[in-house]
Amino acid sequence: AQSVTQLDSHVSVSEGTPVLLRCNYSSSYSPSLFWYVQHPNKGLQLLLKYTSAATLVKGINGFEAEFKKSETSFHLTKPSAHMSDAAEYFCVVSYSSASKIIFGSGTRLSIRP
Amino acid sequence: EADIYQTPRYLVIGTGKKITLECSQTMGHDKMYWYQQDPGMELHLIHYSYGVNSTEKGDLSSESTVSRIRTEHFPLTLESARPSHTSQYLCASSEAGVAGANVLTFGAGSRLTVL
Repeated sequence: AQSVTQLDSHVSVSEGTPVLLRCNYSSSYSPSLFWYVQHPNKGLQLLLKYTSAATLVKGINGFEAEFKKSETSFHLTKPSAHMSDAAEYFCVVSYSSASKIIFGSGTRLSIRP
Repeated sequence: EADIYQTPRYLVIGTGKKITLECSQTMGHDKMYWYQQDPGMELHLIHYSYGVNSTEKGDLSSESTVSRIRTEHFPLTLESARPSHTSQYLCASSEAGVAGANVLTFGAGSRLTVL
């Protein structure tokens, strides 16, 4: 079955420290992978996407993610957290074979001063 | 700046009322979607459309209905609102280009409260 799993429902880090939000997918096919961010009372905004080009993808606001096929992972990282990064983050996988978009359950990122 | 607009942003309404949530996009996207999201929870697809006069139900059963008479417009209607319909409704669109590269553009959402 095609699925995406966000391993942490809530991550809390101190301002200025690294951020790691984990995402794993299951599929027999080559997926397209995305990370979206949702700030309170807002819609979702695309952070970055992987579509079979470079495995290390750079996004907006200093975020990046690495596609690791051997681990079926697409973890989101940022070297230094900022207070404005506090939001909900969604990992999303899309499969061309099924023309289907699947959302993870989301990870809430909190930033401590 | 997003080119997909949802109105109203917030709506508080009594049980039994008919409501329509509007969604319009100016990007010429063929694909449009409605997602339902409870606070702090994941998104659930309730309706989608791949073009004019094409609508399909999503993964989550919903009592709402949609229409797609124009490419840019994808309204969602509840004939008789109930408290169980209280939720946030997110509209999104994407190009119909290469399948699998479905980059979604989201509206800001419509938060519905049914008393």
